[in-house]
Amino acid sequence: SQKIEQNSEALNIQEGKTATLTCNYTNYSPAYLQWYRQDPGRGPVFLLLIRENEKEKRKERLKVTFDTTLKQSLFHITASQPADSATYLCALGMGGGNKLTFGTGTQLKVEL
Amino acid sequence: DVKVTQSSRYLVKRTGEKVFLECVQDMDHENMFWYRQDPGLGLRLIYFSYDVKMKEKGDIPEGYSVSREKKERFSLILESASTNQTSMYLCASSFPSSLTDTQYFGPGTRLTVL
Repeated sequence: SQKIEQNSEALNIQEGKTATLTCNYTNYSPAYLQWYRQDPGRGPVFLLLIRENEKEKRKERLKVTFDTTLKQSLFHITASQPADSATYLCALGMGGGNKLTFGTGTQLKVEL
Repeated sequence: DVKVTQSSRYLVKRTGEKVFLECVQDMDHENMFWYRQDPGLGLRLIYFSYDVKMKEKGDIPEGYSVSREKKERFSLILESASTNQTSMYLCASSFPSSLTDTQYFGPGTRLTVL
């Protein structure tokens, strides 16, 4: 069956360090993968998209990698700040105006 | 900016009541979605709609129905609310694209069924 796995345990890191979150999937051949940020009591907000033929994507302090052989995406936040504390969701899409399938999310806490 | 609004942030209903959750988007998006989000289970798709009067079942449609009479509005209906429908409900919309399918979410409705 299709499965998307993100670390269920919260990730605690110190301010200024790089946070790395993992998204693994099985039995999917996604056309792209997206990352969203969700703050408590709010809806998710889109951050980055990476397509199957792209290895890496950057946006300011964010970097996403996509390895279709390993079936894994890594999401990095460099020079992390307490304001980066949130839950981060990965989502897989098949393209063609289709729906997304979301992972369960990983909570990140950046401490002073 | 894309704006997706939901009719209530918090709602408390009793078992057996009929519940309407409304979602409105202002970006002329064709696609609209209803999810519920529960701890440890993530976002689960209830129903989605690709166009006015079109609807398709998601992963967990049982106990729910939807209505889309106008392009900007997508309603989720709980015909007879039960306690196991206590959850956070999120609406989203997207422009159909073969390249992105980025979804824009509303703020959510936290529904408690007593």
